[in-house]
Amino acid sequence: ENVLTQSPGTLSLSPGERATLSCRASQGVGATNLAWYQQKPGQAPRLLIYGIFNRGAGIPDRFSASGSGADFTLTISRLEPEDSAVYYCQQFGSSPPDTFGQGTTLEIK
Amino acid sequence: EVQLVESGGGLVQPGGSLRLSCAGSASTIRDKYMNWVRQAPGKGLEWVSVIYSGGQTYYADPVKGRFTISRDDAKDTMYLQMDSLRAEDTAVYYCVGDPGIRNGMDVWGQGTTVTVSS
Repeated sequence: ENVLTQSPGTLSLSPGERATLSCRASQGVGATNLAWYQQKPGQAPRLLIYGIFNRGAGIPDRFSASGSGADFTLTISRLEPEDSAVYYCQQFGSSPPDTFGQGTTLEIK
Repeated sequence: EVQLVESGGGLVQPGGSLRLSCAGSASTIRDKYMNWVRQAPGKGLEWVSVIYSGGQTYYADPVKGRFTISRDDAKDTMYLQMDSLRAEDTAVYYCVGDPGIRNGMDVWGQGTTVTVSS
């Protein structure tokens, strides 16, 4: 099983700042097989990024992502209060299980 | 708008069974890889199971042999039969669609709560 480790556990930033979230895999991830999700309290998760760097439907361009191999990054520029949420990465191997990271909590001060 | 609606959650005793359903709208489920993802209270997301459009199934180790995923495309519905339930299966269960490329799951239901307790 490919274990994903996200860091930091919690990130506290101010509006307008930039957030950088990390996701590291214990084994290499396939060329396009990583996604990021946003979950706000009491809500279902929402797809932010698929295929490592492609934004999901309706996702603003303040959200961007990159990475390859075992190291991936989600960047949120110009933070807004509504970006407060938990962010998860997920990898898709050649076959399941399709594991999630443990999540990074982003707090907007 | 594409929608997924879960049902069937509830309170069950340890060792009991439940069957969750996930209903799509306007052929939402057809041609998609359909997943169950769960979230224990205060915890992160845990992938549980997937059924491909061709019927192939996979399970996470903690539920293997106890849970069975199935789909009925004619009814635009997916199911999760959960047997031999344990306290650690307590969670919100989300029905989630993947377009079949396996690089991101783009449609999520609102979840149904399963509580395993005596």
